[in-house]
Amino acid sequence: DAGVIQSPRHEVTEMGQEVTLRCKPISGHNSLFWYRQTMMRGLELLIYFNNNVPIDDSGMPEDRFSAKMPNASFSTLKIQPSEPRDSAVYFCASRDNRAGVYSNQPQHFGDGTRLSIL
Amino acid sequence: AQKITQTQPGMFVQEKEAVTLDCTYDTSDPSYGLFWYKQPSSGEMIFLIYQGSYDQQNATEGRYSLNFQKARKSANLVISASQLGDSAMYFCAMRQTGGGNKLTFGTGTQLKVEL
Repeated sequence: DAGVIQSPRHEVTEMGQEVTLRCKPISGHNSLFWYRQTMMRGLELLIYFNNNVPIDDSGMPEDRFSAKMPNASFSTLKIQPSEPRDSAVYFCASRDNRAGVYSNQPQHFGDGTRLSIL
Repeated sequence: AQKITQTQPGMFVQEKEAVTLDCTYDTSDPSYGLFWYKQPSSGEMIFLIYQGSYDQQNATEGRYSLNFQKARKSANLVISASQLGDSAMYFCAMRQTGGGNKLTFGTGTQLKVEL
């Protein structure tokens, strides 16, 4: 079975440019999560969706960040304009909630996108 | 607020020995779930094991087991018969209730398995 697919795996761009990260969740999973990982702050949840609807975006750092989930099989995280402090590994994860929020189903992570803003 | 604490930034263990990675948590919610993930140097996050707050038995999954002590609010990961491939960063995480199914992660423990 295909896991969570993220693209690109690596992105290097200059500050001020728009960056778009993409995620395809596992088929049938109805929750999707975006995380950011840095040495200083560890793993932080940015936003998550249930059934394509954003539920909690309290972790989104500022207005420069936006996320969409137009359908059950695709999500994007956009940074515009990008800044050097946005450099991090961005993970997408998905989860099957059909057994309920409190089931033992884990979140399954993609391989991440390593983003470097020069 | 819910919080996860991993007090061991780094651990060493000899191959074939067992190792315990500590995790304590703080929550006032009676219903919660605890997860352990492994992150090798290649960067991916791999789910290892789950423990629910109402589970009567400690979770086990192959060489991984959880030493779950609810009264102490600890959920330590035990890896038996360590292998070189176990060298990685290990994260403990707690599912937040009342806020959907978000996970709060600890800061991780870097495990190095030596010959």
